Amino acid sequence: DTAVSQTPKYLVTQMGNDKSIKCEQNLGHDTMYWYKQDSKKFLKIMFSYNNKELIINETVPNRFSPKSPDKAHLNLHINSLELGDSAVYFCASSQGTGPGGEQFFGPGTRLTVL
Amino acid sequence: AQSVTQLDSQVPVFEEAPVELRCNYSSSVSVYLFWYVQYPNQGLQLLLKYLSGSTLVKGINGFEAEFNKSQTSFHLRKPSVHISDTAEYFCAVSEIIQGAQKLVFGQGTRLTINP
Repeated sequence: DTAVSQTPKYLVTQMGNDKSIKCEQNLGHDTMYWYKQDSKKFLKIMFSYNNKELIINETVPNRFSPKSPDKAHLNLHINSLELGDSAVYFCASSQGTGPGGEQFFGPGTRLTVL
Repeated sequence: AQSVTQLDSQVPVFEEAPVELRCNYSSSVSVYLFWYVQYPNQGLQLLLKYLSGSTLVKGINGFEAEFNKSQTSFHLRKPSVHISDTAEYFCAVSEIIQGAQKLVFGQGTRLTINP
């Protein structure tokens, strides 16, 4: 009964490969997010989707392509992986898009690019 | 754009001692502030938030924070910490971008509790 789940938990891959991370929430929320946490623990938003529509894209390289097949899922596909993509990626969800809403975070996916 | 500064990257304290984690935000007309906690190898969890009203906000696990508009601060406090409070703590400000909530996080403060 995990609220926000991500798969895989760990991902180790070579430079140049393409990989995907999946996220699912069972909270009935209509807004989902992807965050990147770097090695210094700095957390930055990448994308936000509301009702399957992209609403925030924080100048992320085109190699990153989010896809939301339905309101409960938001997947992240990364093409041509680079060393600098190594990080922990967090999915989150919230109800609505108001400024005071609580975001619920998944456990994270640690991506290591060799 | 809004920003948040957490003044301490690491805070070591002894068990049962009080602790304060400092957070300052950039000034804005309306401000919505959050504290999230990240336990080792886990995602973030909301501790508390300030939207409006009383400047003293109480959260989970005995934490509280005080919103101070004149000092643009939102410091987090706990009167007596436990080993289980060892975690990374993030202060965040919420802003609306293109009709959507965007959380801007501080750099994080690692709280280490020593026995």
